[in-house]
Amino acid sequence: AQKITQTQPGMFVQEKEAVTLDCTYDTSDPSYGLFWYKQPSSGEMIFLIYQGSYDQQNATEGRYSLNFQKARKSANLVISASQLGDSAMYFCAMRERERGNEKLTFGTGTRLTIIP
Amino acid sequence: KAGVTQTPRYLIKTRGQQVTLSCSPISGHRSVSWYQQTPGQGLQFLFEYFSETQRNKGNFPGRFSGRQFSNSRSEMNVSTLELGDSALYLCASSLGTGFAEAFFGQGTRLTVV
Repeated sequence: AQKITQTQPGMFVQEKEAVTLDCTYDTSDPSYGLFWYKQPSSGEMIFLIYQGSYDQQNATEGRYSLNFQKARKSANLVISASQLGDSAMYFCAMRERERGNEKLTFGTGTRLTIIP
Repeated sequence: KAGVTQTPRYLIKTRGQQVTLSCSPISGHRSVSWYQQTPGQGLQFLFEYFSETQRNKGNFPGRFSGRQFSNSRSEMNVSTLELGDSALYLCASSLGTGFAEAFFGQGTRLTVV
């Protein structure tokens, strides 16, 4: 089974609308972490938001929020009031520990295009 | 303050050669992690160094190695290059381990011919 699944290869959204990018995960580690990154066309990865498996509240960072549904193993990224500069690839990633080694596993990404 | 600096930005090597990539983290950051990004395999975690010790590693063969110096700068080495090693190599730095709040460099684009 895939550790991290992003089912939306591409999305087109009108400027100023809210966007939800989907991410589901699978792990047996009870103490895992979930991350979202943005990669503009320049190639540089930008860390957006983090959610720990034991965090009670959904993480928020400015216009970004993480809709964490633990029972469904879902960690969707919500971008409110989208802007043209939000056009980029978005990657979901999971940190898990196996036999004392922590690894970060990435999803295949979603290409988001904001339409003016 | 200065961001994460990766050198060189672009590199062309011949199959069978070896290559060393460099990553200078943000001042004060003690953790450096490395990633490979290819169109076929996507983004993959290589390894993480903290205080000169490799703390975590991904599923890459022993041809991929790294080290971290006392000033937290890190190098990644790939020996006996294969065509499939052509990729964007990204490094990230953070204050501690665990990958959170990581800042990435612009990457080194390696082409193996």
